[in-house]
Amino acid sequence: DAGVIQSPRHEVTEMGQEVTLRCKPISGHDYLFWYRQTMMRGLELLIYFNNNVPIDDSGMPEDRFSAKMPNASFSTLKIQPSEPRDSAVYFCASSTRGTGASGANVLTFGAGSRLTVL
Amino acid sequence: RKEVEQDPGPFNVPEGATVAFNCTYSNSASQSFFWYRQDCRKEPKLLMSVYSSGNEDGRFTAQLNRASQYISLLIRDSKLSDSATYLCVVKNNAGNMLTFGGGTRLMVKP
Repeated sequence: DAGVIQSPRHEVTEMGQEVTLRCKPISGHDYLFWYRQTMMRGLELLIYFNNNVPIDDSGMPEDRFSAKMPNASFSTLKIQPSEPRDSAVYFCASSTRGTGASGANVLTFGAGSRLTVL
Repeated sequence: RKEVEQDPGPFNVPEGATVAFNCTYSNSASQSFFWYRQDCRKEPKLLMSVYSSGNEDGRFTAQLNRASQYISLLIRDSKLSDSATYLCVVKNNAGNMLTFGGGTRLMVKP
């Protein structure tokens, strides 16, 4: 299993440009999560999907952010237009449903996409 | 108040030392608890789940105190390779979201 695959690993862009981050979850995992990590705020949940359906997007900062999951093996997080304060590492993670403390939503993270907006 | 709070550290300890981290959570309805480990410039990875009765995995022991709403992680005989950031994670069964603490940084010195 290749794990959760994210691309690009690094992106440097200028303010105002559109940014698209991509994620391929682990096959068979029915939950997908997008997190953002910064030094100041730590890991913040942006949105999560269950069976390709967005369940909770209350963490999405503002309308400039959007996420889609057109099928079970692919998700995108888009920022348009990007701003310098969006600079962060964006992690995608996936999990199975699981039951009980041992299996419930144990997340497997991708390697992250490090975004720098100039 | 943050939902999950941790002392950011860093905790600087010599090899072989025993070190303990605490984490407090605000939502008394929280049901599942975990410790994740994150190495520098890497993704978080599950270290261990935390069970109500406490649990041990080799040199690592996790404890849960529901009355006081805190979780602890004890590392015995620390190794250089234990140097990392340890993230306390809480799940509320009302949803399927995991809330991460800000992490505690550990540095083990020779």
